Amino acid sequence: ELKVEQNPLFLSMQEGKNYTIYCNYSTTSDRLYWYRQDPGKSLESLFVLLSNGAVKQEGRLMASLDTKARLSTLHITAAVHDLSATYFCAVVDNNDMRFGAGTRLTVKP
Amino acid sequence: DGGITQSPKYLFRKEGQNVTLSCEQNLNHDAMYWYRQDPGQGLRLIYYSQIVNDFQKGDIAEGYSVSREKKESFPLTVTSAQKNPTAFYLCASSSGMNTEAFFGQGTRLTVV
Repeated sequence: ELKVEQNPLFLSMQEGKNYTIYCNYSTTSDRLYWYRQDPGKSLESLFVLLSNGAVKQEGRLMASLDTKARLSTLHITAAVHDLSATYFCAVVDNNDMRFGAGTRLTVKP
Repeated sequence: DGGITQSPKYLFRKEGQNVTLSCEQNLNHDAMYWYRQDPGQGLRLIYYSQIVNDFQKGDIAEGYSVSREKKESFPLTVTSAQKNPTAFYLCASSSGMNTEAFFGQGTRLTVV
C-alpha cells in the first residue's frame, strides 16, 4: 500500500528565513507533485517532478525528487507572508494518487 | 475553458438521506479521484477511476458509492451508511500521463 509521510506538519517561520519540508513515500514511484491549499480553498498545483534528480523552482520555492531515497523536498527561501498556506505532496503509483498529511506553514513578520 | 467542475459548492443533508456530489471534467482525462478532507487534515482517498466503467476503492470507501458511465463524469454518492459525512469533498482528474492532477473547487457537505 502506498504511504506518504510529510514533516513537519506545522511550521512557523519568520519572514526572510529558509526552511525545508520533507515528503517520504513507500513505493518506487517517480511521479510526485506538490500542491498548495489556502484556507477554505481547493488545491493549486505547484510542481510536477517526474524523474530522479528532478529539480523545479518557482519564485521562493524549490522542489526536488530523489527516487532512490523515496524522498522529495520543498525548500523555502527568504519566506514572505504570502507563502502562508498548507502544502501537500502527492505520489502516484499506477494512477493511485495519495497525499501526505500536509504542512501548515505560517510566515510571521 | 477546460477544467473540472464540482457542484454544488455547499450541500446540506439530513441524517439518513443519500446525497450525490457532481464532478465533471472536459479535459479528456482518463483518471478521476474523490477525496475527503476534514478540518485541519490532509486528503483521504475515497474512490478513484482509471477508465470508464471501472473504479477502485480508496482508503475510506465505506458509506460511499461512485459510478463512471462517462469519461467526463464521476459522481459520488454519500449514503446513509456514512456515519460522519460532514467534510470538504474534492474531486480531481488526471491524464494518467506525466501531468499533475487538477482539482475542482470542492463541495462542502454538512449534515443537519
